[in-house]
Amino acid sequence: EAQVTQNPRYLITVTGKKLTVTCSQNMNHEYMSWYRQDPGLGLRQIYYSMNVEVTDKGDVPEGYKVSRKEKRNFPLILESPSPNQTSLYFCASSVGQPHSGDTQYFGPGTRLTVL
Amino acid sequence: DAKTTQPTSMDCAEGRAANLPCNHSTISGNEYVYWYRQIHSQGPQYIIHGLKNNETNEMASLIITEDRKSSTLILPHATLRDTAVYYCIVNAGGTSYGKLTFGQGTILTVHP
Repeated sequence: EAQVTQNPRYLITVTGKKLTVTCSQNMNHEYMSWYRQDPGLGLRQIYYSMNVEVTDKGDVPEGYKVSRKEKRNFPLILESPSPNQTSLYFCASSVGQPHSGDTQYFGPGTRLTVL
Repeated sequence: DAKTTQPTSMDCAEGRAANLPCNHSTISGNEYVYWYRQIHSQGPQYIIHGLKNNETNEMASLIITEDRKSSTLILPHATLRDTAVYYCIVNAGGTSYGKLTFGQGTILTVHP
């Protein structure tokens, strides 16, 4: 089954404790992206990746890192999480870039709470 | 990216057509119009997209005006399961091909 998976689905952590949220897709997609969703602010793009070893900032990259060492995985790294990073996070992938007419497939979400 | 304007919320009776408008008056010639929906904190789900022509698939129809400054998503026979937030997105090329900006969306409530 074609899908985007995220782990963990739920995470409660404390300020400053490094964490990684994994994202994996089995569709051989080139494009992957991370979003966060907060009440009243909608979905905002954090980082995206056009292909292996190619990443770029979205609209809200501060406090996050990503890597794309292989095509199927695109982990989101919070080196020193803070309470303002408490949010619902979504990973997405598509065959090509969003502007080219390709559709994005979203993962189920990761609900992160930073105390 | 071109900005989009959608009504905050809409209601629709079950079985009737739901028509969700979107204004994108600053759209440029190479920008697609996409529609996604999100059901209660699940991952957004693709519905349909188009460039110039009207489009139809098994889920919905997309009507784009001739000047491309607005569009309408049509769910022909809305069901209770269509209650969701609907996002109209216009995607730019330019120097940031990979960026995708979601707006606030329209909360569609389908009632019995």
